[in-house]
Amino acid sequence: EIVLTQSPPTLSLSPGERATLSCRASQSVSSFLAWYQQKPGQAPRLLIYDTSNRAPGVPARFSGSGSGTDFTLTISSLEPEDFAVYYCQQRTNWPPSYTFGQGTKLEIK
Amino acid sequence: EVQLIQSGADVKKPGATVKISCKVSGYTFIDYNIHWLKQAPGKGPEWMGLVDPEDGETVYVEKFQGRLSITADTSSDTTYMELSSLRSEDTAVYFCATATSPVFDYWGQGTLVTVSS
Repeated sequence: EIVLTQSPPTLSLSPGERATLSCRASQSVSSFLAWYQQKPGQAPRLLIYDTSNRAPGVPARFSGSGSGTDFTLTISSLEPEDFAVYYCQQRTNWPPSYTFGQGTKLEIK
Repeated sequence: EVQLIQSGADVKKPGATVKISCKVSGYTFIDYNIHWLKQAPGKGPEWMGLVDPEDGETVYVEKFQGRLSITADTSSDTTYMELSSLRSEDTAVYFCATATSPVFDYWGQGTLVTVSS
């Protein structure tokens, strides 16, 4: 099973600052890496799929990059509504398998 | 508008069975697989398995094999997740989700299942 390790566990920043979240896979996931945002009491929301593709309606300040085992989610200038928990997730097509990282909590400094 | 509406919270005793429903609207039900995920308190989501509503084929994660059943009813555009032999570690929020893109782009609101004696 592929294990995803996210860092840091908690990131304390102020609105307007740049956020860089990391996700490392225990083996190559090619480009099949997605990012989700989750706020308390809500379902996760898809932000980025296949490393760098923004989901419909996701603001341009969110971007994804990486390949193989190392991936990054960047939020260029934090808005108040961006403070949440972020998860990375990988997929394999067959047999189907999906695993998530343990999350990075982005909190207001 | 795509919507996945789940049944409400439930409390079960250890050893019991829980069955959660997920009604889909806004797209053709048989076009996409429905997935079920578990999110324990303070943890990331965990994929449990999927059903292909077109033919009822399922794929389950090995750790849930033997306790998990996912079904689809095309007459009501509803899928069901049944988990048996419940234990305290099964206390979690359970989500249904669909993947019209390569990943989970639409989610239900979540159903809290509490296992307690």
